[in-house]
Amino acid sequence: DTGVSQNPRHKITKRGQNVTFRCDPISEHNRLYWYRQTLGQGPEFLTYFQNEAQLEKSRLLSDRFSAERPKGSFSTLEIQRTEQGDSAMYLCASTSLGTGAYRDEKLFFGSGTQLSVL
Amino acid sequence: SQQGEEDPQALSIQEGENATMNCSYKTSINNLQWYRQNSGRGLVHLILIRSNEREKHSGRLRVTLDTSKKSSSLLITASRAADTASYFCATSLWGAQKLVFGQGTRLTINP
Repeated sequence: DTGVSQNPRHKITKRGQNVTFRCDPISEHNRLYWYRQTLGQGPEFLTYFQNEAQLEKSRLLSDRFSAERPKGSFSTLEIQRTEQGDSAMYLCASTSLGTGAYRDEKLFFGSGTQLSVL
Repeated sequence: SQQGEEDPQALSIQEGENATMNCSYKTSINNLQWYRQNSGRGLVHLILIRSNEREKHSGRLRVTLDTSKKSSSLLITASRAADTASYFCATSLWGAQKLVFGQGTRLTINP
């Protein structure tokens, strides 16, 4: 178990460019989340997958953002036509869905991808 | 939007002292979790408390939950310099499938 892996760790891009981030979750985890975090704030939910199915997407998420999780393994998050307001840490987390009435799933986070849009 | 509000936003104490952080939330929860984040890194899960529990312990951590007041507190006893980090509460809502995080408390332990 090598934990959740995110690449790249840092990305600097110019406004208007497209960027793609990758997340490799813990292998047996069936649920994968993307969060965004700006300086001094808590993580903000973007979207999540149950296996390969994208089950929820934040209403705050622009249509410039798209995520995939082919075959229910790794996931990618793409931002098209980046804007300076997209600068943030993008965090991926994974977990296994429990079956009890009390969902005791805890999230395992990667180290994040820090995006800077110039 | 964030469900949890944490208090204080920043806390600075001497090594060996106890640190208490509070979290308030707005709607009914399934469970409440606390996470730690070192600067520039991902979050690490610390402890989870269910909505039908009132107190839990894990090592030097003690968490309480008061569902009538919609609040929780995290106590770190005998603090160490390595405890310096940001601490976030996160709520799991009934019927929802995601954790909602608060804005966090920045804890600094002075040697």
